[in-house]
Amino acid sequence: QKEVEQDPGPLSVPEGAIVSLNCTYSNSAFQYFMWYRQYSRKGPELLMYTYSSGNKEDGRFTAQVDKSSKYISLFIRDSQPSDSATYLCAMEHGSSNTGKLIFGQGTTLQVKP
Amino acid sequence: DVKVTQSSRYLVKRTGEKVFLECVQDMDHENMFWYRQDPGLGLRLIYFSYDVKMKEKGDIPEGYSVSREKKERFSLILESASTNQTSMYLCASRTGAQETQYFGPGTRLLVL
Repeated sequence: QKEVEQDPGPLSVPEGAIVSLNCTYSNSAFQYFMWYRQYSRKGPELLMYTYSSGNKEDGRFTAQVDKSSKYISLFIRDSQPSDSATYLCAMEHGSSNTGKLIFGQGTTLQVKP
Repeated sequence: DVKVTQSSRYLVKRTGEKVFLECVQDMDHENMFWYRQDPGLGLRLIYFSYDVKMKEKGDIPEGYSVSREKKERFSLILESASTNQTSMYLCASRTGAQETQYFGPGTRLLVL
């Protein structure tokens, strides 16, 4: 079993829809949770960074962490065609001193105009 | 703005060739990483370095080596390229644990 599981999709939604992207994980030592966005043929860029449980909002994006269920989510409101990309979740141990991240497989999202 | 640059966007090499992939970051970051990204497999860590001349194996180090002679530069070396090393290679850097990790644009390597 992988430490981090993410449905690869693809996920196709109409413009304006609310998108929900999810990851599950098995290691309760993860304390830091990230979402990266990767456009085609580009490197990933950090979208959201949260510590421990709770919600974090940034514009149209909300990151949610439920440590009791070992489940994290990224919500995109009013989705736009420019949101079409691959979204990668990533996690880090709380006691890590090397900066090593564990990534999910990535979910490909297509927002249709 | 943090900048992570990679020496090539696209490379085509022949089986058995020695291949060097260079990565440079301009933010004095301690930690640097090399990943490969393949469809269906996601990002897999090859090697990382948390200081000059220090290196640690990641999840898939076989067939690769690395060099970090200067803080800003981290090189990935394919000693004898094979077709199964055809992939997208991504370099990343960060100040330290629990800090933002920044990625380069990637190098698409094709080994024939």
